[in-house]
Amino acid sequence: SQQGEEDPQALSIQEGENATMNCSYKTSINNLQWYRQNSGRGLVHLILIRSNEREKHSGRLRVTLDTSKKSSSLLITASRAADTASYFCAGMDSSYKLIFGSGTRLLVRP
Amino acid sequence: ETGVTQTPRHLVMGMTNKKSLKCEQHLGHNAMYWYKQSAKKPLELMFVYNFKEQTENNSVPSRFSPECPNSSHLFLHLHTLQPEDSALYLCASTLRGLTGNTIYFGEGSWLTVV
Repeated sequence: SQQGEEDPQALSIQEGENATMNCSYKTSINNLQWYRQNSGRGLVHLILIRSNEREKHSGRLRVTLDTSKKSSSLLITASRAADTASYFCAGMDSSYKLIFGSGTRLLVRP
Repeated sequence: ETGVTQTPRHLVMGMTNKKSLKCEQHLGHNAMYWYKQSAKKPLELMFVYNFKEQTENNSVPSRFSPECPNSSHLFLHLHTLQPEDSALYLCASTLRGLTGNTIYFGEGSWLTVV
């Protein structure tokens, strides 16, 4: 079953702008993970935020988690053309299952 | 390179064929997963193995048969598949027992059923 929805489904921005993607999930989670997927490739892990954390940073990435609203956001600052990819959030439950959202397709125009 | 290796990367098979997908990790992980990714659909969890024991079968048809001979290897045996089974099959692994356990994915095996 799908964990939740991601918003927007597609996002097109100019290089240098910030990109914000939102994710909602349905069940209780131990952590939430964000992944990136280039067309036809595997998933690359970006960042993990635990259920007791509210915000986390990694380079140009900033992730927030609101467990009361069952939602998370991923912010990519100063975007580059190489950031063009699909981005997925996935919640891990207590049985170590990772359930994915439908993803956001990001296009960064040079 | 995530440390999770999948072979073959591409597979074309007829509906009457029997083939297998292989996944291998030497990360010391003790849980392994199969996911299916079809066009325009979210990733679907198929199977979960913990310490070689299957702990999750997400209502997967019996024409998909997983095998986990040890904690480093995971197979997906394919038999009498349908064209709608054409998809990217992703293997993943993690180390259970940690609250911040990242799941690492392989590059996937592209399967086309003709």
